[in-house]
Amino acid sequence: KQEVTQIPAALSVPEGENLVLNCSFTDSAIYNLQWFRQDPGKGLTSLLLIQSSQREQTSGRLNASLDKSSGRSTLYIAASQPGDSATYLCAVKQAGTALIFGKGTTLSVSS
Amino acid sequence: GAVVSQHPSRVICKSGTSVKIECRSLDFQATTMFWYRQFPKQSLMLMATSNEGSKATYEQGVEKDKFLINHASLTLSTLTVTSAHPEDSSFYICSASEVGTGPNYGYTFGSGTRLTVV
Repeated sequence: KQEVTQIPAALSVPEGENLVLNCSFTDSAIYNLQWFRQDPGKGLTSLLLIQSSQREQTSGRLNASLDKSSGRSTLYIAASQPGDSATYLCAVKQAGTALIFGKGTTLSVSS
Repeated sequence: GAVVSQHPSRVICKSGTSVKIECRSLDFQATTMFWYRQFPKQSLMLMATSNEGSKATYEQGVEKDKFLINHASLTLSTLTVTSAHPEDSSFYICSASEVGTGPNYGYTFGSGTRLTVV
């Protein structure tokens, strides 16, 4: 059974710092991996989608990498801002299943 | 881009009553929609997969008679929490993928519904 783990569970950084969020999964047979952002009491906003054949995807200050064979993905946030404060979730897609989520990393960026 | 609208965003109901939550795909058709439940500081847990025109598939441990799902059209799925109790209080989120897209496409999520049963 696929399990998705995110480390750390929480992270506090000062504004301007670069940071890395980690996601690992136990079964490498995935179609893709998706990173989401969730603000308190809100739904999910898709940030980046990496196909299983890809190594990374970039959007603005965000860069997500995928190492499928080792079951790892990272989300890199450059020059963090207070507006980046949220919970970041990673999820994997496998054949015949809905997305399987990790518990998320709650990020707090102080000004 | 694809948009999923979920209503209501927040609902408070009395114990024993039923609550209906709607999930609509606004600019695309979705053969399949998914319903998740999220507890505080926990991951999203899949409750059921909603298929247009057929019965929903429920995950193990989810009571199908308590959480009624209807997917009558390609743009609308509803979740009804019947005879709600305080332990049903939670955050419910739906998601959908567009008809004709393969498993390599991403999913779009609704904004969620905060249900509080008093």
